[in-house]
Amino acid sequence: DTAVSQTPKYLVTQMGNDKSIKCEQNLGHDTMYWYKQDSKKFLKIMFSYNNKELIINETVPNRFSPKSPDKAHLNLHINSLELGDSAVYFCASRLGGGKGYTFGSGTRLTVV
Amino acid sequence: GENVEQHPSTLSVQEGDSAVIKCTYSDSASNYFPWYKQELGKGPQLIIDIRSNVGEKKDQRIAVTLNKTAKHFSLHITETQPEDSAVYFCAASTADTGNQFYFGTGTSLTVIP
Repeated sequence: DTAVSQTPKYLVTQMGNDKSIKCEQNLGHDTMYWYKQDSKKFLKIMFSYNNKELIINETVPNRFSPKSPDKAHLNLHINSLELGDSAVYFCASRLGGGKGYTFGSGTRLTVV
Repeated sequence: GENVEQHPSTLSVQEGDSAVIKCTYSDSASNYFPWYKQELGKGPQLIIDIRSNVGEKKDQRIAVTLNKTAKHFSLHITETQPEDSAVYFCAASTADTGNQFYFGTGTSLTVIP
């Protein structure tokens, strides 16, 4: 009964490849997010969707494209992977009304 | 936009001592301040939060204080235990639906047995 689940947990791939990370939440939350955590642990927001609508799109290369087929899912597709994309990517969800995020366990992406 | 600063970046304490982590924020519209604990290999977990209409909140060994005038808030952990060792993040947000959290840069806490 995992609340926010991401797959895969680990992803090792070569430069130039295209990969996707999937996220699903079973909490009934309205808003979902993608965060990137670099090697210094800094959490940087990438995207946010509210009821399948994109509401936050930070300065992220357009090689990154989020897709939300329904409000329980927010997937992240990355084209032409680069070495600098190596990081841990976290999906999170939030219920409106000011409660905190629930994070997934992260996807460690390593580009070689 | 909001800017959240967090100090210290690393903190080591002896088991049983207290630990304090401090954050400041810049946007007076922020009214919700959660704290997260991230253990190795896991996602951040919400441990306590406070809203701007409250000055202090406590949950067992963890407490958070908020000074709206000075725009700073702090996490206090008493009687620390080795399992408290983790990276702690503060964040600031408005409570509006969809609004993002602005995270601090994290504090790596080590509790020495």
